[in-house]
Amino acid sequence: AQSVSQHNHHVILSEAASLELGCNYSYGGTVNLFWYVQYPGQHLQLLLKYFSGDPLVKGIKGFEAEFIKSKFSFNLRKPSVQWSDTAEYFCAVNADDYKLSFGAGTTVTVRA
Amino acid sequence: NAGVTQTPKFQVLKTGQSMTLQCAQDMNHEYMSWYRQDPGMGLRLIHYSVGAGITDQGEVPNGYNVSRSTTEDFPLRLLSAAPSQTSVYFCATKRDLNQPQHFGDGTRLSIL
Repeated sequence: AQSVSQHNHHVILSEAASLELGCNYSYGGTVNLFWYVQYPGQHLQLLLKYFSGDPLVKGIKGFEAEFIKSKFSFNLRKPSVQWSDTAEYFCAVNADDYKLSFGAGTTVTVRA
Repeated sequence: NAGVTQTPKFQVLKTGQSMTLQCAQDMNHEYMSWYRQDPGMGLRLIHYSVGAGITDQGEVPNGYNVSRSTTEDFPLRLLSAAPSQTSVYFCATKRDLNQPQHFGDGTRLSIL
């Protein structure tokens, strides 16, 4: 079974700062990778996904993530955050089955 | 959040009571799943189904039952609620293996 580790529990930033959230997974085979965002009081929304092809994936709201297979990583980035990016971010992985494994989540607080 | 409907949105139960959380989807997705979300633990898979008549256990199935008599519905049953089941429950669906999951708005359940 795969597992997912998110390195940061809580990140606090000022507006316009750059954001990078780390995600590593443990599974040796082919994986599908996702980042979801959960705004306060809301459901999870898909930010971006990687299935195959270009390892640099661009998602919604200016987010991107890079899949580095050799490092089993799928880190999320945004060059310049806004106050509205305050949310909880989840990395998720599914391998050759339908089960989706989530990381513990990273709470991002952006200060105006 | 079009497509995945969870009811109720909030519920308070007493220890030992039973309850069914409803999940309905109108996207004709074969795969449906239930997660619970707890602080610092991300989302953990309770049960899932890859089609009508087929269910299987996820990471934390104890204390929960499911059934899948139709493609549209995937109810989650708590037969005898316990305080440890206080959580936010999310239902999710996906069309097939290589697609992202769509999440419902969640049910916030408190067990006293």
